[in-house]
Order: sequence, then structure tokens, then C-alpha cells
Amino acid sequence: ELKVEQNPLFLSMQEGKNYTIYCNYSTTSDRLYWYRQDPGKSLESLFVLLSNGAVKQEGRLMASLDTKARLSTLHITAAVHDLSATYFCAVGPYQETSGSRLTFGEGTQLTVNP
Amino acid sequence: DSGVTQTPKHLITATGQRVTLRCSPRSGDLSVYWYQQSLDQGLQFLIQYYNGEERAKGNILERFSAQQFPDLHSELNLSSLELGDSALYFCASSQGPWDEQYFGPGTRLTVT
Repeated sequence: ELKVEQNPLFLSMQEGKNYTIYCNYSTTSDRLYWYRQDPGKSLESLFVLLSNGAVKQEGRLMASLDTKARLSTLHITAAVHDLSATYFCAVGPYQETSGSRLTFGEGTQLTVNP
Repeated sequence: DSGVTQTPKHLITATGQRVTLRCSPRSGDLSVYWYQQSLDQGLQFLIQYYNGEERAKGNILERFSAQQFPDLHSELNLSSLELGDSALYFCASSQGPWDEQYFGPGTRLTVT
């Protein structure tokens, strides 16, 4: 069974600081997704990583994927308050019999303090 | 706005009752997924349909069932509701069975 683990689960940081969220998964998989969720809201797609070594950046967020280590990172640069949210990584289809389900990590609740 | 619509937004009902949640996928998307988000279980995959046929099943209880209709909208039926069924239920859609999934706004179910 595929397991996806994120750490840290809670992250409180100051504005202007940098930090990294880690996502480990247990089985070889094609695809890794990062989503953002604001309280009570839906999931907003941030990044789709499809191959080993993939790196994508959008504003202050950068995501990378190492399929050999089964590890993805979400790096936050010079955090601002607007980045406060819960961030989920999700691993995509990993075998034919699993369909196209996404398996989610527990989520990292990020709070950026002034 | 992802283009996926879900109704209703909120639903409050009593234990033992039955409810139906509805999802309309993005235009052109053939695949629909249902996920449950609760405090104790996190985000869990329930079931997937592709072009009207069930494609994958996750941790979906026997009291729950779903279907996808010819117009591609989907319904999730929850019966004999228990307090523990209280959760946010998300529908997602994708063009093909392996494409990126776009999530709807969710239906918040409260069972009292």
C-alpha cells in the first residue's frame, strides 16, 4: 500500500524567512502533485511534477522531485502572510490496478507571522 | 474556479438518514473522482468513474455508493449516516483517467 508522509505537519515561520516542506512516498510513482488548501476551501493545484529531477517555480514557491529517493520538496522563499495555508503533496497513479487515485500526505499547516 | 461544480455546499442531516451529493465535471472531462476529507482520516480517495464506468475503488464504505450518468455528472449516495460520516466531500475531474485532477468546492456534510 502506498504511503505518503509529509513533514513537518505544522510550520510557523516569520515573514521573510525560507523553509522547506518534505514529502516522502513509499512506492515508485509517475506523478507528484502539490496542492494548497485554505481553511474550509477546496484544493488548489500548485505544481505537477512528472519526472525525476523536475523542478517548477511559481512566485515564492519551488517544488522538486527525486523519484529515486521517492522525495519531493516544496521550498518557500521569503515567506509572506498570504502563503499561510495547508499544503498537501499527493502521489499519482502508481500501478494499473490502483486506477488514477491520488494518495495524499497528511498536509503541512503553514502559518506565516509578521 | 476549477470548473467543477458540486451541490449542495452544505448539508446537515440526522443519523440514519440518506443523502445524495452531486458533481458536474469540467466541460470535456470524462473522469470523476470522489474524495472524503475528515479531521481524523485526512484526505481519502473513495471512488473513480471514467466515462460512466467504475474504474477504481478506495476506502469506500458499503453504505456509500456512486454512479456516473451518461451526461457525465456523478452522484455520491451516503446512507444510514453516522456521526463519523461528517466530513468535506470533494469531487474532482480529469480529461482522461491519468490526467491532472481538478477539484470542486466540496460539500460539507454534518451528521447530527
